[in-house]
Amino acid sequence: QVQLVESGGGLVQPGGSLRLSCAASGFTFSDYYMSWIRQAPGKGLEWISYISSSGSSIYYADSVKGRFTISRDNAKNSLYLQMNSLRAEDTAVYYCARDGPGSWDGYNDYWGQGTLVTVSS
Amino acid sequence: DIVMTQSPDSLAVSLGERATINCKSSQSVLYRSNNKNYLGWYQQKPGQPPKLLIYWASTRESGVPDRFSGSGSGTDFTLTISSLQAEDVAVYYCQQYYSTPRTFGQGTKLEIK
Repeated sequence: QVQLVESGGGLVQPGGSLRLSCAASGFTFSDYYMSWIRQAPGKGLEWISYISSSGSSIYYADSVKGRFTISRDNAKNSLYLQMNSLRAEDTAVYYCARDGPGSWDGYNDYWGQGTLVTVSS
Repeated sequence: DIVMTQSPDSLAVSLGERATINCKSSQSVLYRSNNKNYLGWYQQKPGQPPKLLIYWASTRESGVPDRFSGSGSGTDFTLTISSLQAEDVAVYYCQQYYSTPRTFGQGTKLEIK
C-alpha cells in the first residue's frame, strides 16, 4: 500500500532553516510527480511546490519562491523540502503528497500525515 | 493566479439529507483540447490529512462511496453528498490544477443539523 511519511519538522527561530523529508513506499516513486502542501493552524490548504518525476520540472508558490527548494532522490524513494529564511507565517503542518498518474494529473491522490513546523523565537 | 471561492463557508444538514457545496473559479479550468476540467475535491476530517474524493470534476476516486458526486464545468462546480452520514462531518476543499499555483478554495465545514 502507498505510504508517505514526513519527518524533519520542529521549532525553529525566525530566519532559520529546516529540511523536511518524505519517505515514499508502496509505489514506483520515480514514476510520479510529487508535491508539498501546507496548512497553517486552523487554516485552509496552501499548495507550495511540485517536482516532476525526473526532477527536471519544478514550480513554487510565490510565498516560498527563493526561500524553499524542493528536490527528490529517486534511488532513495525520498522527497525533500529545504526551507531557508523562515518566517512566522511559515508555521504550518507540511504535507507530502503524490500527484496523479499522468504528467498533467495535478490532483493529489495520496497524502502523508504531515509534519509540524513552528517558526517562533 | 486562479482564485477558488467556495460557498457556503459552513453548512449544517440533517442525517440522510442532501448536502451541496459550490466552488467557483476566477477563470475557466476546462482544457478544451481534452475536454477535461482540472478540478478536484478533498475531504479533511479533524487531525487527519486531506483525502481525495473527486478528480476531473466528476470522477470518483477508488473506494469513495457513491453518495459523493461532482459536477460542473468551466468555472462553476458542485460537490453533492446525496444522503449525509455521520462520518461525512468534515471540511471540504476544491482545488484547481489547471495552472500553477494550484489553488484551493477556502474550505466548507459540514456539520450535522
